[in-house]
Amino acid sequence: DTAVSQTPKYLVTQMGNDKSIKCEQNLGHDTMYWYKQDSKKFLKIMFSYNNKELIINETVPNRFSPKSPDKAHLNLHINSLELGDSAVYFCASSKGDSDAVYGYTFGSGTRLTVV
Amino acid sequence: LAKTTQPISMDSYEGQEVNITCSHNNIATNDYITWYQQFPSQGPRFIIQGYKTKVKNEVASLFIPADRKSSTLSLPRVSLSDTAVYYCLVGGGAKKLSFGAGTTVTVRA
Repeated sequence: DTAVSQTPKYLVTQMGNDKSIKCEQNLGHDTMYWYKQDSKKFLKIMFSYNNKELIINETVPNRFSPKSPDKAHLNLHINSLELGDSAVYFCASSKGDSDAVYGYTFGSGTRLTVV
Repeated sequence: LAKTTQPISMDSYEGQEVNITCSHNNIATNDYITWYQQFPSQGPRFIIQGYKTKVKNEVASLFIPADRKSSTLSLPRVSLSDTAVYYCLVGGGAKKLSFGAGTTVTVRA
């Protein structure tokens, strides 16, 4: 199936640990994103990559580091996890850089719980 | 980035038409209006996009008045499976979009 897939779906970890979330898309899209959704359903953009290049880096703690080994993959590594990092993280992709025109395709999310 | 305002929640019954209006007073000339649907435990799903007047697809209709300062998503004859959060986004070009809180639509039998 063509899709945006991210792993793991659930992640429970202790404060202070380092964890990674992986994302892959087989849609041939050029741009990939990481979004964070809080308990109030707000979806906030964190990072955006276009053809492996970082083009958007919103105000996110530098404990969060995205890595794009190729344009089909965008991983998110989080160091020294804090309770406030608990949220659902969504990966998304779009055909071009003008994402408002082309629209996003989202993965199913990774629910991160820091205890 | 155009700010959007939409109702927090709406209730409806099966078979009714649901209309969700989104206000975007400072929409820019090259901005498009896009609506997404999100079911629990899933990522948002693109449902419809428009620039002006009316757009219709198999899922919904989108009405945009001439001044483009608002838009209305219309869901015809909703069913229980249309219970979801609906997000209105406004943007264009290389703007990177963040979603608001959306409108939670609850359809009852």
